[in-house]
Formats: sequence, structure tokens, C-alpha cells
Amino acid sequence: GENVEQHPSTLSVQEGDSAVIKCTYSDSASNYFPWYKQELGKRPQLIIDIRSNVGEKKDQRIAVTLNKTAKHFSLHITETQPEDSAVYFCAAITGGGNKLTFGTGTQLKVEL
Amino acid sequence: SAVISQKPSRDICQRGTSLTIQCQVDSQVTMMFWYRQQPGQSLTLIATANQGSEATYESGFVIDKFPISRPNLTFSTLTVSNMSPEDSSIYLCSVDLRGSTDTQYFGPGTRLTVL
Repeated sequence: GENVEQHPSTLSVQEGDSAVIKCTYSDSASNYFPWYKQELGKRPQLIIDIRSNVGEKKDQRIAVTLNKTAKHFSLHITETQPEDSAVYFCAAITGGGNKLTFGTGTQLKVEL
Repeated sequence: SAVISQKPSRDICQRGTSLTIQCQVDSQVTMMFWYRQQPGQSLTLIATANQGSEATYESGFVIDKFPISRPNLTFSTLTVSNMSPEDSSIYLCSVDLRGSTDTQYFGPGTRLTVL
């Protein structure tokens, strides 16, 4: 089955700096890669996703890149703000299926 | 966008008892899923709730422990049976709103504490 590794487990940045979270996956058939943000006590919220036929996708301060050859994808947050502080989860879904496999999560802290 | 709700939002239960969690969506959806999130951990898929047929369980999860119902396209229940303190977790349902069987949106979760 699919295995998703996520790094780092914690990340602390200064407000205004960029943050990068990286994930690798094992199943070359995986074709959909969402990112979720989970604030304390809240539900995971989808913030951006990318499919395997695209190398990069941007939405305002958030971008995701995908390298299918290396089987890794990354979340990039620019101009970080205190409200970006949360746990971020990457996930992958294998082609032909609907099972999401989640990474272990990254606790992002944006300091003033 | 659709509204996904869960009941109860939290509960404290005694070991050996059972709790049924409800997930309601305000529009029809094809796929509904149940996840468990243990304290400080990631999300683990328990099962896919199939409308009109038995749920599909992931490795490590069995129907006797986590029976699931899906009577229609807007509603599902997960029961946590014969609970022990190890079952203390957040239980979340998710749905595929776009009908693509890929993008999943989560309910608010049910925080379960077993004493």
C-alpha cells in the first residue's frame, strides 16, 4: 500500500518568511495529492491540491510542487502570517482508488 | 458548499459501552469515509461507508468493533463498540463533495474519551 513520509515534524519561522514542508510517497500509481491545514480543535481543511498531470499549482501565498520522478511533493507558504500557525498534513491517493493516505503532519509556528 | 455535521461533538464514556456517531451532509454525496485521529497524531482511515452495501474496512479495523451504516446518500453512522481507553480519539467523517472520488472534506469530528 501507499506510504507517505512528511518532514519536518515541527517548523518555526519568523513572520514574513517562507515555509516549506516536504512529503514523499511510495506508490508510483498515486495521482492526487491534497494538503490539509488543521488548527487546534478544528477539522482538517483542504488548502490546496495537485494532480499528477501538473507540476506546480499556486493559490495566493500557497503553492504546491510535484516531482513524479522522485515521488515527492512540497508545500510552499510565502509571507507567513501568525494565522498560518497550524498542523499541516500532506496526503496521497492511488490511481483508481479513493483511499487517502496521510503524512505524519508538520506543526508550523509563525513567530512575531 | 455543502455542510457536514457530526453528532455528538464530544462524549465521555465508560469502558465496555458503545457509542454511535452520526455524520450528516446537506447534499447527496457518493463517497463517505470514517477516520480516526489519536491525540497528536495523523489521520487513519477506518473504512469507506458504501451506500446500500457493507462498509469496506482498512487493515486493522473490523466490523465487529466499528460497525458502520450508510442508509442513504446523505447520512452515515459509525459505532465504536465495547470501548476501552485505547479508543479515546477524535473520529471524523469525510465526504467527496465534488463527486470525483478524490477531493475529501471533513466533518467537525467527535472527540471521544473512554474512562
